[in-house]
Amino acid sequence: RKEVEQDPGPFNVPEGATVAFNCTYSNSASQSFFWYRQDCRKEPKLLMSVYSSGNEDGRFTAQLNRASQYISLLIRDSKLSDSATYLCVVSGFQKLVFGTGTRLLVSP
Amino acid sequence: DTAVSQTPKYLVTQMGNDKSIKCEQNLGHDTMYWYKQDSKKFLKIMFSYNNKELIINETVPNRFSPKSPDKAHLNLHINSLELGDSAVYFCASSQVYTGEKLFFGSGTQLSVL
Repeated sequence: RKEVEQDPGPFNVPEGATVAFNCTYSNSASQSFFWYRQDCRKEPKLLMSVYSSGNEDGRFTAQLNRASQYISLLIRDSKLSDSATYLCVVSGFQKLVFGTGTRLLVSP
Repeated sequence: DTAVSQTPKYLVTQMGNDKSIKCEQNLGHDTMYWYKQDSKKFLKIMFSYNNKELIINETVPNRFSPKSPDKAHLNLHINSLELGDSAVYFCASSQVYTGEKLFFGSGTQLSVL
């Protein structure tokens, strides 16, 4: 089983839609969780940290379910500029482990 | 000011050659990393250094040798390059090495012919 698993997509949505991604992780001892965004041919950039109580940053909401070992990212009112690959990231032993990413394509 | 900078951006070379990629961070972080992103876009850690000390070596072939002259620099030297080494190599840094968020360089696209 992979340490971090994501649906690779692509998710094709129209502008203004709401879209959600899930990610599961295998290490129950993980303490830190993040969503990163990676544009084509660019480096990954931190989108948001994920906290146990859930957190929101504008149109983006992240949730953590420790019991089921999954993390979610909800994007409301999708913009064309949201098109990217979204990487789920989970802490392992002295390192961060990346999922393979979920590709999102927002169309006009 | 670029926080994490790596050079070169592109590297095209023949099999069997030796090449180096340089990385520098001006964030004052203690920990630096090398990640490899293959053609399937899987981003996998190769090495991490904390204050110039090797913390993680993820079963990378010993043709790959990282060097950290100080905590702001982590270079990657690759000997006897192979076709399978073709990938994008990302340098990154973080404040501490225990699962803290990462800041990445813009990547080095290595193509081995």
